[in-house]
Amino acid sequence: EVQLVESGGGLVKPGGSLRLSCAASGFAFSEAWMNWVRQAPGKGLEWVGRVKTKTDGGATDYAAPVKGRFTISRDDSKNTLYLQMLSLKTEDTAVYYCATDPSYGDYGDYWGQGTLVTVSS
Amino acid sequence: SYVLTQPPSVSVAPGKTARITCGGNNIGDKTVHWYQQKPGQAPVLVIYYDTDRPSGIPERFSGSNSGNTATLTISRVEAGDEADYYCQMWDGSSDHVLFGGGTKVTVL
Repeated sequence: EVQLVESGGGLVKPGGSLRLSCAASGFAFSEAWMNWVRQAPGKGLEWVGRVKTKTDGGATDYAAPVKGRFTISRDDSKNTLYLQMLSLKTEDTAVYYCATDPSYGDYGDYWGQGTLVTVSS
Repeated sequence: SYVLTQPPSVSVAPGKTARITCGGNNIGDKTVHWYQQKPGQAPVLVIYYDTDRPSGIPERFSGSNSGNTATLTISRVEAGDEADYYCQMWDGSSDHVLFGGGTKVTVL
């Protein structure tokens, strides 16, 4: 069974930091580009960033609102994806999902259940 | 900055065809994916690389992309197709990724 399980969400004050984890199982994690996508309450989807596979150079890309504050990394030995978030702002409040990239679509489309990050004083 | 424009809502009767557009400057030169999201659930990929359908997605879902508009077409609409639909653009030359604002499909 394929699973993506996010953890690490919670309440944090503006300016604070948080690290999200996404534990993958049931598919070839090391062969998939991985994305973080967020959704503010009652709003649409927003792409946060992506990490490519080591085979494809392991490059990361970020959306403009988070560039320089968020860092995506992966540990293929642990089948785990990470999102390190620094200098958090109230507008970062959202449910954060990890997901396989559409480039993996021939093999499957997998999403976590989401983890809520609330930035508030 | 690049903007993807989707209509906020589309209404369609059961058995008819729904077309959801995603507008962007020369979007036909970029790669477009489409997601379906039902309330309280994670999104589901329904079309990728403009026209491809993932395993398990009904043939009623199809996609096209040309010029300044990408389109998701849902044929023979069913009540279970009621959901929010999002286009996602990937510019392979810059690795820029963006979601459209989403379209709520209502089945009458």
